[in-house]
Amino acid sequence: AQRVTQPEKLLSVFKGAPVELKCNYSYSGSPELFWYVQYSRQRLQLLLRHISRESIKGFTADLNKGETSFHLKKPFAQEEDSAMYYCALSGVDYGQNFVFGPGTRLSVLP
Amino acid sequence: DAGVTQSPTHLIKTRGQHVTLRCSPISGHKSVSWYQQVLGQGPQFIFQYYEKEERGRGNFPDRFSARQFPNYSSELNVNALLLGDSALYLCASSLGLAGTYNEQFFGPGTRLTVL
Repeated sequence: AQRVTQPEKLLSVFKGAPVELKCNYSYSGSPELFWYVQYSRQRLQLLLRHISRESIKGFTADLNKGETSFHLKKPFAQEEDSAMYYCALSGVDYGQNFVFGPGTRLSVLP
Repeated sequence: DAGVTQSPTHLIKTRGQHVTLRCSPISGHKSVSWYQQVLGQGPQFIFQYYEKEERGRGNFPDRFSARQFPNYSSELNVNALLLGDSALYLCASSLGLAGTYNEQFFGPGTRLTVL
């Protein structure tokens, strides 16, 4: 079965501090992993996807198949990073379904 | 382009009633996905439609159904509403099947309240 867990409901850090949002998954095939973000009063939007290995707004995420993790990291948090972050998983093995984690609310304090 | 649009914005129904939610994808997008988001939880996948065919189904009862029209817009239907169906219903569109190579773009959602 597909499952995504995000252990922290709320994460508070000070501006300039490093940030790590944790995501673990269970999937028996070849997963596609994503991070989505929802800023206040905005729509849910894609932040990054594992296959592109890109850095978006200073965020990166590395897929670790051994630990089944896809943690989101940023070396220096900014106040505008405050938002709700969702880790998501997809794969053709289950009919192209998407599974979202419960989300972590990141609060960056001044 | 206004992006993905959904109607209505809010809806109040009573238990046992039926509801239809509508979604218009971004122009040129051929895939529409539906999600249910209960307060405090992440979105839960309900359906994905591509080229008018169902291509993915989440773990929802048969009371939930959907369809996609020739213009790629979509409807989500829920029969015999239960209190637990109260949620934000999100629609997302993508050029092809949503995944790594086809980004999903989300609408603002329809807030359904079942009394």
